[in-house]
Amino acid sequence: AQSVTQLGSHVSVSEGALVLLRCNYSSSVPPYLFWYVQYPNQGLQLLLKYTSAATLVKGINGFEAEFKKSETSFHLTKPSAHMSDAAEYFCAVSYYNNNDMRFGAGTRLTVKP
Amino acid sequence: KAGVTQTPRYLIKTRGQQVTLSCSPISGHRSVSWYQQTPGQGLQFLFEYFSETQRNKGNFPGRFSGRQFSNSRSEMNVSTLELGDSALYLCASSLASGVVYEQYFGPGTRLTVT
Repeated sequence: AQSVTQLGSHVSVSEGALVLLRCNYSSSVPPYLFWYVQYPNQGLQLLLKYTSAATLVKGINGFEAEFKKSETSFHLTKPSAHMSDAAEYFCAVSYYNNNDMRFGAGTRLTVKP
Repeated sequence: KAGVTQTPRYLIKTRGQQVTLSCSPISGHRSVSWYQQTPGQGLQFLFEYFSETQRNKGNFPGRFSGRQFSNSRSEMNVSTLELGDSALYLCASSLASGVVYEQYFGPGTRLTVT
């Protein structure tokens, strides 16, 4: 069954430090992969997506992710954290080019001043 | 351009009742998907509608149903509510069906079943 695992339910970084949120998928077929962010009392916003084009995907707000087939990973990074990055982040996968996405459990990012 | 709107934003119902949630997509978007978000199960796909037809359905009981109107607005219905149906229900719209089209999420309807 298709699934996504996000390592670490909580990640805390200092402002200006590197942000690394981990996501691994289980797959025997090429996946479509996504990262979404959710701020309190709001819906999800797409940060970036991988759809079998370039393996390094750049998204909004300075985030990027690299698709590594050999490691079945799609980790999200940002070189320098801002206070405004504090939110919950979800990795998601879809295998059939439809909106039946499977989400990870989420990682709550805290940014310390 | 107005975003995805969901009504109502908050709802309290009693076990056994039924509820209807509404979603208005971004103008021009023809695909609407629904998701359930709970602390225990996380985010789960309910179903997707495109051009008034259900395209995909997640693993939920038949008590959960939906429909889409000709103007792309969508409604989701839950009958015979159970305590476990308490959740944030998110609606997302996209230009068409398929993950190549970005999904835009609404703020959600928070349903509490007592």
